[in-house]
Amino acid sequence: DAGVTQSPTHLIKTRGQQVTLRCSPKSGHDTVSWYQQALGQGPQFIFQYYEEEERQRGNFPDRFSGHQFPNYSSELNVNALLLGDSALYLCASSRRGLMNTEAFFGQGTRLTVV
Amino acid sequence: DAKTTQPNSMESNEEEPVHLPCNHSTISGTDYIHWYRQLPSQGPEYVIHGLTSNVNNRMASLAIAEDRKSSTLILHRATLRDAAVYYCILSRVSNYQLIWGAGTKLIIKP
Repeated sequence: DAGVTQSPTHLIKTRGQQVTLRCSPKSGHDTVSWYQQALGQGPQFIFQYYEEEERQRGNFPDRFSGHQFPNYSSELNVNALLLGDSALYLCASSRRGLMNTEAFFGQGTRLTVV
Repeated sequence: DAKTTQPNSMESNEEEPVHLPCNHSTISGTDYIHWYRQLPSQGPEYVIHGLTSNVNNRMASLAIAEDRKSSTLILHRATLRDAAVYYCILSRVSNYQLIWGAGTKLIIKP
């Protein structure tokens, strides 16, 4: 079992550009959540996808959007990148939500905006 | 809004028990308490979770106060591989969110 895989592992983008990050959940998992982790801080919830719909959203602007595909994989899109978007972006998968089950995290995508 | 409070860092000797505290005084009745840990340059790893009763698994034990306003993660015999940032987290059933604290950096001395 490959677990949760994220791509790419590292990415450098210029201010104002757009970026797409990808996540494949653990086999058997149908729910994907995305987190932003700034250096030295805990992860911040961006949004969660279940049954191809955004089920819940954290306190992030509309520049952050996502998608879930029928095979449960997911994408995170960020438009009009700002320097402050530089962070580690983590994807977590679980069965039908994270509330009382174990979530599995990927290694993350390190995004640097210059 | 619910949040968790943890010490910034703790030190322990190898092969000794470690008690990592967490305060969550604004916890609601349906919030689960989770603990995850994160090693450098890795994604978080699940440790344990519970609702009201104390919980044990192969990695650790979770002791939850009777009023649920605090909890303690217990590593029974710390090894150097347990050095990581440990996060105490509330999971809110009503909005599907995990509410993360700032974490405790655990340093294990050989």
